[in-house]
Amino acid sequence: EADIYQTPRYLVIGTGKKITLECSQTMGHDKMYWYQQDPGMELHLIHYSYGVNSTEKGDLSSESTVSRIRTEHFPLTLESARPSHTSQYLCASSELGQGAKYFGPGTRLTVT
Amino acid sequence: GQQVMQIPQYQHVQEGEDFTTYCNSSTTLSNIQWYKQRPGGHPVFLIQLVKSGEVKKQKRLTFQFGEAKKNSSLHITATQTTDVGTYFCYFAYGQNFVFGPGTRLSVLP
Repeated sequence: EADIYQTPRYLVIGTGKKITLECSQTMGHDKMYWYQQDPGMELHLIHYSYGVNSTEKGDLSSESTVSRIRTEHFPLTLESARPSHTSQYLCASSELGQGAKYFGPGTRLTVT
Repeated sequence: GQQVMQIPQYQHVQEGEDFTTYCNSSTTLSNIQWYKQRPGGHPVFLIQLVKSGEVKKQKRLTFQFGEAKKNSSLHITATQTTDVGTYFCYFAYGQNFVFGPGTRLSVLP
């Protein structure tokens, strides 16, 4: 199993709150990703990064931001949580090129 | 834009039966990857195919890349209850990265 961690694992928060989901990997991977996935459904790319100071938007990026100040750390921030953000958020990393993705265990977010 | 289809969307099999899922692309791919996600879990990398017509095996799983590199299949021989989950194909083209919608497999004991 790969060494990629996400915190918190579960989060229940009220509408309008600002939240940051943490993701760290110890594999030295340059590429990191955030995906949103409802149970049993497709994976939607939110943001990705090729390395330090690199961030790119995916399909669902308009309501969140990311930063990549260190290779191992790729936090995702929702400025104002809404019930529509209720979902599972999966972080992943891979080497540069088209190598295998390693996923973290996910953060299950509920916005009330 | 890029179209990715995975069929079937759902498959229910009796334990011991075979299972196949197909991933079809509207454009030629440089490579394709397959992932498995158990219920409540996260996707786990299974394999990557690169060459036209390539076939790779992992125990009861057989992966194939089409000759035209526009489709791929994952075949499981004699399914077991541990095979339950959703199987996703994945590929990159240009600056885009695409996961297929997945095939959800349930295995009845």
